[in-house]
Amino acid sequence: DAKTTQPPSMDCAEGRAANLPCNHSTISGNEYVYWYRQIHSQGPQYIIHGLKNNETNEMASLIITEDRKSSTLILPHATLRDTAVYYCIPRGGATSGTYKYIFGTGTRLKVLA
Amino acid sequence: GAVVSQHPSRVICKSGTSVKIECRSLDFQATTMFWYRQFPKQSLMLMATSNEGSKATYEQGVEKDKFLINHASLTLSTLTVTSAHPEDSSFYICSVTRSRGPTSTDTQYFGPGTRLTVL
Repeated sequence: DAKTTQPPSMDCAEGRAANLPCNHSTISGNEYVYWYRQIHSQGPQYIIHGLKNNETNEMASLIITEDRKSSTLILPHATLRDTAVYYCIPRGGATSGTYKYIFGTGTRLKVLA
Repeated sequence: GAVVSQHPSRVICKSGTSVKIECRSLDFQATTMFWYRQFPKQSLMLMATSNEGSKATYEQGVEKDKFLINHASLTLSTLTVTSAHPEDSSFYICSVTRSRGPTSTDTQYFGPGTRLTVL
């Protein structure tokens, strides 16, 4: 399983973009990168995932480097409700037979008013 | 997304008793369900993978006789903590994945969690 490195904490001003980096240098060719967040005392919430191309949905954008060794989750206009722990998780795709998520320590994002 | 429920949301029990936690997939059939636990200020740790109609696969270090998992239907999995002790106090979270298709990436959708406190 690929290992991840994320900064333990970050602050972001409300209304500004929050850019959360993740290093996954040992990721294999068929491993997707998933991003989740966990608000205190709740289950993780799915945000976005990608394989090679950049992705965007209503919650966030995901930028994956060409070598796939790192990615950045972008919350375009952070709000106080975005305060949470953010996890990036490499996960095997449909043909790999690898189902498990291995959670790292994540990044604790604090959005400041 | 997907809606996943867990019941109960919070339970307090005496040492030595057994506690059952239910995980339901409310809007799709879940071939695979996962059980995690999370201790305070720590990350989620996978306990076991549960496939409908077959025995669960436990992670290394997780006692299968202590944490009984039943996945009897495509929408329900249960985790029973047998003879609970204070060290079992934790936040237990389940997740579900859709039935696998040829292009599925099997995104996991998580329940809200169950906080177990063993006195």
